[in-house]
Amino acid sequence: ETGVTQSPTHLIKTRGQQVTLRCSSQSGHNTVSWYQQALGQGPQFIFQYYREEENGRGNFPPRFSGLQFPNYSSELNVNALELDDSALYLCASSFYRGDDEQYFGPGTRLTVT
Amino acid sequence: GENVEQHPSTLSVQEGDSAVIKCTYSDSASNYFPWYKQELGKGPQLIIDIRSNVGEKKDQRIAVTLNKTAKHFSLHITETQPEDSAVYFCAATGANSKLTFGKGITLSVRP
Repeated sequence: ETGVTQSPTHLIKTRGQQVTLRCSSQSGHNTVSWYQQALGQGPQFIFQYYREEENGRGNFPPRFSGLQFPNYSSELNVNALELDDSALYLCASSFYRGDDEQYFGPGTRLTVT
Repeated sequence: GENVEQHPSTLSVQEGDSAVIKCTYSDSASNYFPWYKQELGKGPQLIIDIRSNVGEKKDQRIAVTLNKTAKHFSLHITETQPEDSAVYFCAATGANSKLTFGKGITLSVRP
């Protein structure tokens, strides 16, 4: 059984640029959730994808968008990067049934300068 | 929406002692309460969870208790070891599977 993987590990971008982060879910899982973790804080829910459609969204602006592919992997896209977008971006995979156990990947550290 | 609070923000114990971390939640509809351990440079690791139809769950040195009436749940670690040192997060979720996390507690186990 393979775990959740994310790429890239680290990324440095300039304010105003766009970024794409990738996540491969754990085998047997069909749902991917994305979280933003600022330094010293708990993860904050961005959105969840199930059956290739957005299935719930947190308090994040539309410039945060995502995709889920038929193999259940997922992308997080952020447009018009701001300095406050600097954070650890985590994805978690689960098998959707409502109160799911979510397993996290190692995260992508995004720095916006 | 759900609000999860975690206190204190740091906890230091002597190796071999027990550690208890407490969390409160606001949404009485929440029905799933996981605990995560996060080590430096890594993603959160699920260590134990409890659902609202259970009052207590144990897995070796780790246990979790849930008080639905008071809307609080606690993580208990017995016989602490230096490798237990990490940041611990509690979380709560309802039917939409959206996890709401506390701010985390840094546990230090002194050898």
